[in-house]
Amino acid sequence: EAAVTQSPRSKVAVTGGKVTLSCHQTNNHDYMYWYRQDTGHGLRLIHYSYVADSTEKGDIPDGYKASRPSQENFSLILELASLSQTAVYFCASSEGGRSDYTFGSGTRLLVI
Amino acid sequence: GDSVTQTEGQVTVSESKSLIINCTYSTTSIAYPNLFWYVRYPGEGLQLLLKVITAGQKGSSRGFEATYNKETTSFHLQKASVQESDSAVYYCALGDNYAQGLTFGLGTRVSVFP
Repeated sequence: EAAVTQSPRSKVAVTGGKVTLSCHQTNNHDYMYWYRQDTGHGLRLIHYSYVADSTEKGDIPDGYKASRPSQENFSLILELASLSQTAVYFCASSEGGRSDYTFGSGTRLLVI
Repeated sequence: GDSVTQTEGQVTVSESKSLIINCTYSTTSIAYPNLFWYVRYPGEGLQLLLKVITAGQKGSSRGFEATYNKETTSFHLQKASVQESDSAVYYCALGDNYAQGLTFGLGTRVSVFP
């Protein structure tokens, strides 16, 4: 079954440390996305990619980097984690155009 | 930019009663957007509930319906008779024709009690 898998499911990180969130999709989709969800803000787009080895900034890219080494994998990197980056992070994939989006189960990140 | 406004906070409803979650949108694009309802059940990720990409059309799934109204820029979600299993967080979302990501509303938590 086609799916979007995120790892880890949850993580505790220290302020100033590096955090990498991983996403793997078996949908054969060209497009992948990273969102964060905070109370009172819904889901907001951080970065996305429409082809391997290329990423695009979303609405709130500051403090985040993204990496798309292959069609199947898309990582979100926090080089210097901060308290304000505590949130739930969702990865998604899409065929593109007017297609719908398939989401992963989320990664709960707590920065202390 | 784009924005989505939906019924805020929590909605509590009795089993077998009707439910409506309001959603209105705003877009700067000259093209009509694609409209979605996603649902997040407890302990799970977001799942697509329904999608409508043509203005004037209605989408339906699992007893839920939503009509794309370009005149009122609305996409309200309705169900005639809810069940306890419908307890979840519902998100209205807007997308363009180029898969540049979705714009979400804040989400509405629905609690159905027996």
